[in-house]
Amino acid sequence: ETGVTQSPTHLIKTRGQQVTLRCSSQSGHNTVSWYQQALGQGPQFIFQYYREEENGRGNFPPRFSGLQFPNYSSELNVNALELDDSALYLCASRLRQANTEAFFGQGTRLTVV
Amino acid sequence: GESVGLHLPTLSVQEGDNSIINCAYSNSASDYFIWYKQESGKGPQFIIDIRSNMDKRQGQRVTVLLNKTVKHLSLQIAATQPGDSAVYFCAETRTGTASKLTFGTGTRLQVTL
Repeated sequence: ETGVTQSPTHLIKTRGQQVTLRCSSQSGHNTVSWYQQALGQGPQFIFQYYREEENGRGNFPPRFSGLQFPNYSSELNVNALELDDSALYLCASRLRQANTEAFFGQGTRLTVV
Repeated sequence: GESVGLHLPTLSVQEGDNSIINCAYSNSASDYFIWYKQESGKGPQFIIDIRSNMDKRQGQRVTVLLNKTVKHLSLQIAATQPGDSAVYFCAETRTGTASKLTFGTGTRLQVTL
């Protein structure tokens, strides 16, 4: 176990709805990043948060947004859900200063119907 | 649970044999490389990492080789066990951006008895 926890584990939403996914980072980790993993593919970087600010973003539209809280936990929000948003959403945390690998949570499986 | 990597390249090895999983990376500026193991329904799990100032690093039953000239990584697993069955991803990044990982397409390792 990495100590990174995500909720919920599974979620079904209707096209056009909004969704919020949550992540608690490993104790002591101050940087959180989010990835989208479509079935059969590797994870794709969405964005990263450090000190409660977005600090790097991948090729995702603005309807993907996030937050980081003072306790380093994070949320991923997706508005106007599309069918192609169906994927496993992964959260990873690390200690920025250590410049080492990121530890992943178990993911949230989002299905958009 | 759902499978990760339904259409990924597959490597089938017998229990007890050695496995070699290969990966080509894309960014010549990348200087930090990580191998992750992902079991069905779970997030990626760190296996081993290597920095660009090394060409080989060994862990417990695993060895990573890095060839910067041809931008190639390999993961060697000694005495492969049934518990090694999973999808394996290599990931690359540049120091200072270590949360922004770029993942390869992945290889499914099947261990037969």
